[in-house]
Amino acid sequence: EPEVTQTPSHQVTQMGQEVILRCVPISNHLYFYWYRQILGQKVEFLVSFYNNEISEKSEIFDDQFSVERPDGSNFTLKIRSTKLEDSAMYFCASSLAGGSNQPQHFGDGTRLSIL
Amino acid sequence: GESVGLHLPTLSVQEGDNSIINCAYSNSASDYFIWYKQESGKGPQFIIDIRSNMDKRQGQRVTVLLNKTVKHLSLQIAATQPGDSAVYFCAENMYGNKLVFGAGTILRVKS
Repeated sequence: EPEVTQTPSHQVTQMGQEVILRCVPISNHLYFYWYRQILGQKVEFLVSFYNNEISEKSEIFDDQFSVERPDGSNFTLKIRSTKLEDSAMYFCASSLAGGSNQPQHFGDGTRLSIL
Repeated sequence: GESVGLHLPTLSVQEGDNSIINCAYSNSASDYFIWYKQESGKGPQFIIDIRSNMDKRQGQRVTVLLNKTVKHLSLQIAATQPGDSAVYFCAENMYGNKLVFGAGTILRVKS
């Protein structure tokens, strides 16, 4: 069964450094998402992406965050200058269609630890 | 300050019994709901979905019930197995493409 894959599984970064989290969505999917889950808390929406542009973003997704689809298969989340509070599990998801038309399928996440 | 983690409700069931996991959602305008299962070290795994124009949907060993009057969603798992042990989340699509997740319920299956 096709799946969303994320790399790396664990990323350790010094505060203030840039980090790029990588995702390969399911190949025929058109909508891409990033969510995060701080330890012990709910899964929170960050951003959705369709047709090479951001379609929706949350308050968490400030100017330090950016997303990109650099080629036909990868979808990346960049955090420009990491803070301690960015430590979390980051999940990528994709769906065939948006809204209430198709479910979002998630990868296994990247655990980001900021020191 | 120190952040306080969620204290997730836990449901313990005997192997072979049926499980019912409940979820209260927040927005009466939500039109799409999904149940996810999350095992340790893994991402949320899609189980079943339901749209707001339905009140029941069945899958393999799972049934989702939607009560829009009281904004309540439930997941029923028949003949629960040890492999069903996980954290279960409901998620609602409020508008656009954003999913809003509930806090989750831990399901423990005793053999």
